[in-house]
Amino acid sequence: NAGVTQTPKFRILKIGQSMTLQCTQDMNHNYMYWYRQDPGMGLKLIYYSVGAGITDKGEVPNGYNVSRSTTEDFPLRLELAAPSQTSVYFCASSWTGGGDTQYFGPGTRLTVL
Amino acid sequence: GQQLNQSPQSMFIQEGEDVSMNCTSSSIFNTWLWYKQDPGEGPVLLIALYKAGELTSNGRLTAQFGITRKDSFLNISASIPSDVGIYFCAGYFGNEKLTFGTGTRLTIIP
Repeated sequence: NAGVTQTPKFRILKIGQSMTLQCTQDMNHNYMYWYRQDPGMGLKLIYYSVGAGITDKGEVPNGYNVSRSTTEDFPLRLELAAPSQTSVYFCASSWTGGGDTQYFGPGTRLTVL
Repeated sequence: GQQLNQSPQSMFIQEGEDVSMNCTSSSIFNTWLWYKQDPGEGPVLLIALYKAGELTSNGRLTAQFGITRKDSFLNISASIPSDVGIYFCAGYFGNEKLTFGTGTRLTIIP
């Protein structure tokens, strides 16, 4: 099992550009999550999904969109990149929600200039 | 929303020393989790706590679920170089979303 994989590892965007952060898990988990981690801060939940076709907003959803067409994939879309979106983005998955173990990907470091 | 305050923010210790850190919440949780993040990696779960007063160990790590359900503690005994990293607490109450603390950065001085 590869676990949770994320691509790309690093990316630099110009203000106003768009991009999609990819996330795939091979553990057949129902739940998937996107977090952002700003320097010196904890993880903030952007969006999550409880299963294919179902997504919901987390704590900081503005400026992002997600889709969940399959169990395995949960891409995160940035439509108009802004400097405030400079962060490290982590995707995670779990079998059930709440306190179940979340398995994290290695992260994508995004810089918006 | 719920807030988790983690302390200390950073620790500088010598190899072999014991480490203590804690996490306090403005509201109660049903589950406390402790994660560790190595540089350049995603967090990895260390210990999960599901009951007030629970004390759970994982090797040299011991964590406790506070009686008030508003706090949790993590201790590391006899620290070694691979303990370096950022330790996060996280809490859960009644929904699918975890709330994460701001982290404690552990550095071991040679």
